[in-house]
Amino acid sequence: GAGVSQSPRYKVAKRGQDVALRCDPISGHVSLFWYQQALGQGPEFLTYFQNEAQLDKSGLPSDRFFAERPEGSVSTLKIQRTQQEDSAVYLCASSSLQIGAGSQPQHFGDGTRLSIL
Amino acid sequence: QKEVEQDPGPLSVPEGAIVSLNCTYSNSAFQYFMWYRQYSRKGPELLMYTYSSGNKEDGRFTAQVDKSSKYISLFIRDSQPSDSATYLCAMRRTTDSWGKLQFGAGTQVVVTP
Repeated sequence: GAGVSQSPRYKVAKRGQDVALRCDPISGHVSLFWYQQALGQGPEFLTYFQNEAQLDKSGLPSDRFFAERPEGSVSTLKIQRTQQEDSAVYLCASSSLQIGAGSQPQHFGDGTRLSIL
Repeated sequence: QKEVEQDPGPLSVPEGAIVSLNCTYSNSAFQYFMWYRQYSRKGPELLMYTYSSGNKEDGRFTAQVDKSSKYISLFIRDSQPSDSATYLCAMRRTTDSWGKLQFGAGTQVVVTP
């Protein structure tokens, strides 16, 4: 497709389970971002990839959160031993931005709505 | 205190009115400013992107940046019911050269017919 695709759109898991969220960025986009959006809040940065390299993971809230982009295209955000506070919408964005350019827009997917029971 | 402050609203206006939205920020390192629109259960969509202080106009949308006051605004003229959405301001520091964004909490806008 033409846009950023995320799956699943909705995920319900029991506390303690592991979950995996997938992001298909726009074809050819070098940069990929993950954000977490709590109810009634703006997105909060989690991590950034340039191609397959994870250049910034400063926003990951704990070591239960892990992200990868092994071939520089599709990315997976994994949350281990989920907690209720992990309930949020997880947004993926991609851009053609290269380091130093600074002006390319980030295109967002529609997110995965994660609910932890 | 958050680095980017935005009134969550809701802001209700009649159709045809001007919608006025704003954000304040505390860190002068923010140099790039954006406004996103987010419909319910959708991802944010970029509306406006500005770098320098001043005004930028695109159709019914005008973005203003006042770096001296650390204050940015978005105006929507001739508002339509389809403009009902949450509007998010976003900012980027010059040191975050690859594009990490800091968002406000978003303002919910309702345009009534």
